[in-house]
Amino acid sequence: GNSVTQMEGPVTLSEEAFLTINCTYTATGYPSLFWYVQYPGEGLQLLLKATKADDKGSNKGFEATYRKETTSFHLEKGSVQVSDSAVYFCALFYNQGGKLIFGQGTELSVKP
Amino acid sequence: GAGVSQTPSNKVTEKGKYVELRCDPISGHTALYWYRQSLGQGPEFLIYFQGTGAADDSGLPNDRFFAVRPEGSVSTLKIQRTERGDSAVYLCASSLTSRLQTGGQETQYFGPGTRLLVL
Repeated sequence: GNSVTQMEGPVTLSEEAFLTINCTYTATGYPSLFWYVQYPGEGLQLLLKATKADDKGSNKGFEATYRKETTSFHLEKGSVQVSDSAVYFCALFYNQGGKLIFGQGTELSVKP
Repeated sequence: GAGVSQTPSNKVTEKGKYVELRCDPISGHTALYWYRQSLGQGPEFLIYFQGTGAADDSGLPNDRFFAVRPEGSVSTLKIQRTERGDSAVYLCASSLTSRLQTGGQETQYFGPGTRLLVL
């Protein structure tokens, strides 16, 4: 079936460090891929998305490229800030229905 | 404009009681989704409405769970005979349309959730 697997957290980095959060997926067809972020005490917010292979989604300095050959959608940021501390969720939207399928989430903690 | 709103923000109930959770989607959004998020996990799909009808209820865990959207806007998730295992954050999301209707991808906008605790 369709599923999303993320690297386990928590991930702890110092400010200005490089961030990678791995995400791989299993899906039939050609899903769209998303990264959502959940800041402490807040609801889920869309961070970025990509709807087809080789698309790159980007927002707030974060990027992720839809790699069909490796079924991956890794999240990257060149220089993290303390304000990036949050839980990050990778998700896919598959073309046979209306639901998002989420990974388990990766907690990021950025220290000054 | 206003985002998705959910009430109550927190609900504490006793095992065996009935609860209703409300979702107000973004105005004009025809698709509405309910998800459940347990501690330390990603959200899991429960049910999705297109307009007034439930287009997919395959995620409802059992017949104690039911949801309605009688006028195609506000939705209520109803849980009968609550159990301790129902404790979770219940999330609602809405989108302009679903992929099935447009053939394209629609972004889902999430509400802040209702935290349900069953004692």
